Amino acid sequence: AQSVTQLGSHVSVSEGALVLLRCNYSSSVPPYLFWYVQYPNQGLQLLLKYTSAATLVKGINGFEAEFKKSETSFHLTKPSAHMSDAAEYFCAVTPEAGGFKTIFGAGTRLFVKA
Amino acid sequence: EPEVTQTPSHQVTQMGQEVILRCVPISNHLYFYWYRQILGQKVEFLVSFYNNEISEKSEIFDDQFSVERPDGSNFTLKIRSTKLEDSAMYFCASSDRGRNEQYFGPGTRLTVT
Repeated sequence: AQSVTQLGSHVSVSEGALVLLRCNYSSSVPPYLFWYVQYPNQGLQLLLKYTSAATLVKGINGFEAEFKKSETSFHLTKPSAHMSDAAEYFCAVTPEAGGFKTIFGAGTRLFVKA
Repeated sequence: EPEVTQTPSHQVTQMGQEVILRCVPISNHLYFYWYRQILGQKVEFLVSFYNNEISEKSEIFDDQFSVERPDGSNFTLKIRSTKLEDSAMYFCASSDRGRNEQYFGPGTRLTVT
């Protein structure tokens, strides 16, 4: 079965520091992978997606993620954190075949310190 | 920019009552979904809908739940007899193709008392 593991329920960085949010997936075939962001009391907004094209994916707000098949990882990074990046981030996977559902990780709350 | 909308934003209901949560997906999208997020927990898939029928559902989506696309724009989730544990944020989503990125609405917070 497909699953997504996000390491660290909470991550705290200083403004201007590197942001690294970790995501590992389990899949017997390459899935589609996504990162979503959720600001307080709001819905889920797509940051970026991987759909078996380029392994380094650039998204909105300066975020990017790299698909590493050998490590079954899809970590999210941003070179310099901004206060407005404080939110909950969800890694998600849609299986290659056999369904349309998106499976979400447990989420990582990002705190940005001034 | 087109977006998914949901109404109401917050619904309070008594246990045992029926509720209908409404969604208007993005107009040219063909695939529709409901997810829920219990407070402090992960987002969970409930059901996907395509071509006027359910294409996939989770074990959470039991006989108390149903979905409908009553017209060309709305997509609804009905809970027949609400339970306390149905209290959650319910998100509607849509996509133009299966397995493509899903666009989420702002959610309906359902509180069952």
